[in-house]
Amino acid sequence: GAVVSQHPSWVICKSGTSVKIECRSLDFQATTMFWYRQFPKQSLMLMATSNEGSKATYEQGVEKDKFLINHASLTLSTLTVTSAHPEDSSFYICSAHRGLADTDTQYFGPGTRLTVL
Amino acid sequence: GQNIDQPTEMTATEGAIVQINCTYQTSGFNGLFWYQQHAGEAPTFLSYNVLDGLEEKGRFSSFLSRSKGYSYLLLKELQMKDSASYLCAVMDSNYQLIWGAGTKLIIKP
Repeated sequence: GAVVSQHPSWVICKSGTSVKIECRSLDFQATTMFWYRQFPKQSLMLMATSNEGSKATYEQGVEKDKFLINHASLTLSTLTVTSAHPEDSSFYICSAHRGLADTDTQYFGPGTRLTVL
Repeated sequence: GQNIDQPTEMTATEGAIVQINCTYQTSGFNGLFWYQQHAGEAPTFLSYNVLDGLEEKGRFSSFLSRSKGYSYLLLKELQMKDSASYLCAVMDSNYQLIWGAGTKLIIKP
């Protein structure tokens, strides 16, 4: 099956620093990638939709200047949490959309756990 | 290696009951999640099991047996709006999510 990887798996950083998380589709090209944030034992919250070669579309309430998304190629999207604060500590998950139709499958990455001290 | 298995597709009739199974082999276990995903939308959380047994939440119930590496999602009184994909995911010892490929549930009138 299709594989999506994320790097790093864990990151601990000091408040005020920036953290970059990579999401890669390993064996297929993904025109669209999604970034989610997961709260403990709760739903995935969609943060933004990332389309290759264009600006990301952010969900309401998500600060685009704080969560910078770059989708430089069909297999890589990056999320940069700028000037991270403890409240940004969370589990960040990406998914890659395989196919052209909305009904095609999303494949999820394993997630990145961010802890901001 | 780590693995989550669930059926690719299931079909059921409106008003009936359907059980979607999920078996897993992971390095460690820190809970199992079920999500519902309608086409073109973000997944929505259905349930979280970390202890053995049945968790009931309205029309949806989720069961877990850690010794068997097995879970199921039970949907009762099926409605047409329940047509969706159902994703099983296990959090391993590193608190990473291992995802199943999802089960596409088709509800027929």
